[in-house]
Amino acid sequence: SYVLTQQPSVSVAPGQTARVTCEGDNIGTKRVHWYQQKAGQAPVVVIYYDRDRPSGIPERFSGSNSGNTATLTISGVEAGDEADYYCQVWDSGSDHRVFGGGTRLTVL
Amino acid sequence: EVRLVQSGAEVKKPGESMRISCKGSGYRFTNFWIAWVRQMPGKGLEWMGILYPGDSDTRYSPSFQGQVTISADKSISTAYLQWNYLRASDTAMYYCARLQVNYYSHFDYWGQGTQVTVSS
Repeated sequence: SYVLTQQPSVSVAPGQTARVTCEGDNIGTKRVHWYQQKAGQAPVVVIYYDRDRPSGIPERFSGSNSGNTATLTISGVEAGDEADYYCQVWDSGSDHRVFGGGTRLTVL
Repeated sequence: EVRLVQSGAEVKKPGESMRISCKGSGYRFTNFWIAWVRQMPGKGLEWMGILYPGDSDTRYSPSFQGQVTISADKSISTAYLQWNYLRASDTAMYYCARLQVNYYSHFDYWGQGTQVTVSS
């Protein structure tokens, strides 16, 4: 089955840039979606189709996807961005949805 | 306004059966896939399966095939997740989520979650 690997944690100071990565075999050929989950809340999509932002998501959130790595970039990190972030794809070969293990973003 | 409203928290004993629900509103329920996602305590998101309410086409993750049943009653715009035999390891938060219109797309709306506790 298809596997997505994320680093367990990322820490950045306010105002800095956070990069959350999601590794998978030829993930660049798939459409990657990113979800933010704050403590005690349901997930919310912050990036879909590699780089598109839903309405209401700040421009500070951006995404890219190439080769074996997809990246969620959060510029000018704010305290309110502290959350767990999950990448997700649809694997057409197996017809399964797959989530990465999640990355906890800590704002120092 | 699109909403997915899930049933309330459950406390069950091992071996019991259970069904939790997810009611959609604000959109045509039959036209969008609905998925169930498990989150065990302190752990990440796990896709369990997905159902198309229009024709009840259902797909399961191999990890959950045979362990749960996903169904829907389109007459009341409600999807269900059912267990015939609960185990302590089923203790988790369960979310329903709507798949955006394309099959390869993202989950654009989520329910608030249903906490399930299985304990003797």
